[in-house]
Amino acid sequence: SQQGEEDPQALSIQEGENATMNCSYKTSINNLQWYRQNSGRGLVHLILIRSNEREKHSGRLRVTLDTSKKSSSLLITASRAADTASYFCATDEGSGNTGKLIFGQGTTLQVKP
Amino acid sequence: DAGITQSPRHKVTETGTPVTLRCHQTENHRYMYWYRQDPGHGLRLIHYSYGVKDTDKGEVSDGYSVSRSKTEDFLLTLESATSSQTSVYFCAISGLAGGYNEQFFGPGTRLTVL
Repeated sequence: SQQGEEDPQALSIQEGENATMNCSYKTSINNLQWYRQNSGRGLVHLILIRSNEREKHSGRLRVTLDTSKKSSSLLITASRAADTASYFCATDEGSGNTGKLIFGQGTTLQVKP
Repeated sequence: DAGITQSPRHKVTETGTPVTLRCHQTENHRYMYWYRQDPGHGLRLIHYSYGVKDTDKGEVSDGYSVSRSKTEDFLLTLESATSSQTSVYFCAISGLAGGYNEQFFGPGTRLTVL
């Protein structure tokens, strides 16, 4: 079963607007990651946030983690058409050192020029 | 881009035939993974490897086997392909340093089983 569940499943915004995607998970984790997938391509790692961190920034990306609510959010500020992609959260579910990740079903983001 | 290649990139085969997909890395990473991606299911882990000749099952391992005889290659075999195995298959690698387990993905293999 999927650990992470993203919300919304699809999001359409205008260029320049902010995009917020949410992820919920079920069990304790060591870290949570966000990935992007452009159509027809493999996933690309965006950002990792550890369970003892609450917020992390990388360029136009901001990730928050609330372990009490078992949820995370990804904010993309000043979106661009090139941000059009699917975004996935992934958790390790405390899987030790196997590096196993459990992915959610993703949020499809469309940024209109 | 991380040095990961997958072959073939596209394959059409018939039900009942064996199929082998190859993942090759040049990063010398210890961990390698095979996922399948299907609409409505996201990515699901099939098998993974934590070292040469060390493999374990993932969430959807039935009908699949893997082998890793050297660090750089991880093979996924469908012994007798079925239509339900039509999917896009991704290989990923991870170096695992200090508890961080960012994964790097290959370009994917689109498999169609008729």
